[in-house]
Amino acid sequence: EAGVVQSPRYKIIEKKQPVAFWCNPISGHNTLYWYLQNLGQGPELLIRYENEEAVDDSQLPKDRFSAERLKGVDSTLKIQPAELGDSAVYLCASSPRTDRAAEGREQFFGPGTRLTVL
Amino acid sequence: AQSVTQPDIHITVSEGASLELRCNYSYGATPYLFWYVQSPGQGLQLLLKYFSGDTLVQGIKGFEAEFKRSQSSFNLRKPSVHWSDAAEYFCAVGAFGNAGKSTFGDGTTLTVKP
Repeated sequence: EAGVVQSPRYKIIEKKQPVAFWCNPISGHNTLYWYLQNLGQGPELLIRYENEEAVDDSQLPKDRFSAERLKGVDSTLKIQPAELGDSAVYLCASSPRTDRAAEGREQFFGPGTRLTVL
Repeated sequence: AQSVTQPDIHITVSEGASLELRCNYSYGATPYLFWYVQSPGQGLQLLLKYFSGDTLVQGIKGFEAEFKRSQSSFNLRKPSVHWSDAAEYFCAVGAFGNAGKSTFGDGTTLTVKP
């Protein structure tokens, strides 16, 4: 079974440029998460989708960040314009539907996209 | 809101020695508890999880963790460390009813000496 796929793995851009990250979750997983991981810190949730619905985007900086999961499968996270402080690793994770509440589900993580903003 | 503290930023152990990584959480009720491992350049992988029942849980790669309600702790242990265990370890808490949000600690980096 293929894992969570993310692309690109690395991205270097100039500040004020736009950037997009793509994630394809494990087949059949209806829950998809985007996390931000700064150096030396744990992942911080940006947005969570249940199928195509964003059910928790309270931590997403909506002035510059946007995300979509149009058909409830793969997802794109966009930053426009990027700032120096956005340099970090962006992780995508997915979870299968279970009877357990969302906060109790195991998450399967992709390898992440390392963004460097110059 | 729940929080997670991993007091040790970096731990070094010799290969074959025992290991204990500490995790303390702050939450009013019993949360869901997880330990994940992250190798360089890779995503996080679940080692083990606690939801309820037996407070000693077994995970993959020979790891175990013990939930202690009185201490609000969920420490990770391994009796004999292998060089391949060198990685970063994250404790996470999922609080029931908190909209599916898991809170991660800042991680502990494990170095294994030969």
